[in-house]
Amino acid sequence: EAGVVQSPRYKIIEKKQPVAFWCNPISGHNTLYWYRQNLGQGPELLIRYENEEAVDDSQLPKDRFSAERLKGVDSTLKIQPAELGDSAVYLCASSSRTGGVYEQYFGPGTRLTVT
Amino acid sequence: KNQVEQSPQSLIILEGKNCTLQCNYTVSPFSNLRWYKQDTGRGPVSLTIMTFSENTKSNGRYTATLDADTKQSSLHITASQLSDSASYICVVSAPSGTYKYIFGTGTRLKVLA
Repeated sequence: EAGVVQSPRYKIIEKKQPVAFWCNPISGHNTLYWYRQNLGQGPELLIRYENEEAVDDSQLPKDRFSAERLKGVDSTLKIQPAELGDSAVYLCASSSRTGGVYEQYFGPGTRLTVT
Repeated sequence: KNQVEQSPQSLIILEGKNCTLQCNYTVSPFSNLRWYKQDTGRGPVSLTIMTFSENTKSNGRYTATLDADTKQSSLHITASQLSDSASYICVVSAPSGTYKYIFGTGTRLKVLA
């Protein structure tokens, strides 16, 4: 079974440029998460989807960040315009319910560097 | 405020030695607690998941304990190997629809030959 797929793995852009990240969750996982992880820190939730509905986007900086999951499968996260402080690893995860507990699976992440 | 604190921040041990990582949380209500291993350049991978009714869970050389009364958990690694070098992240789940995860900042473990 394929895991969570993310692309690109690395991205270097200049500030004020737009950037987009793509995520394909594990087949059958209805819940999809986007996290941001700064160096030496734990992941911070940006947005959580249940199918195509964003059920928790309270931590998403909506002035510059947007996300979509149009068909309830893969998802894109966009930043426009990017700022220096956006440099981080952006992780996508999906979850399923196993034995009464939601098991969360992470992708490898996209490392963004804004110069 | 729901928080998860881990200690130590970093740890260096020799191959073959045991070590214990700590996690304290203030999340309430509490649903379950997970320990993840994150290799450099990779996403976190789940090691153990414990509900509030469980007080120990093992996965090979990894043993997690949970004291829901004191809101403390530990991850014990036995007979460490070089491949154990990674960050170990404690994550507490608070029921919120389909769950909200609160992540600790992690403990960076380095195992030396």
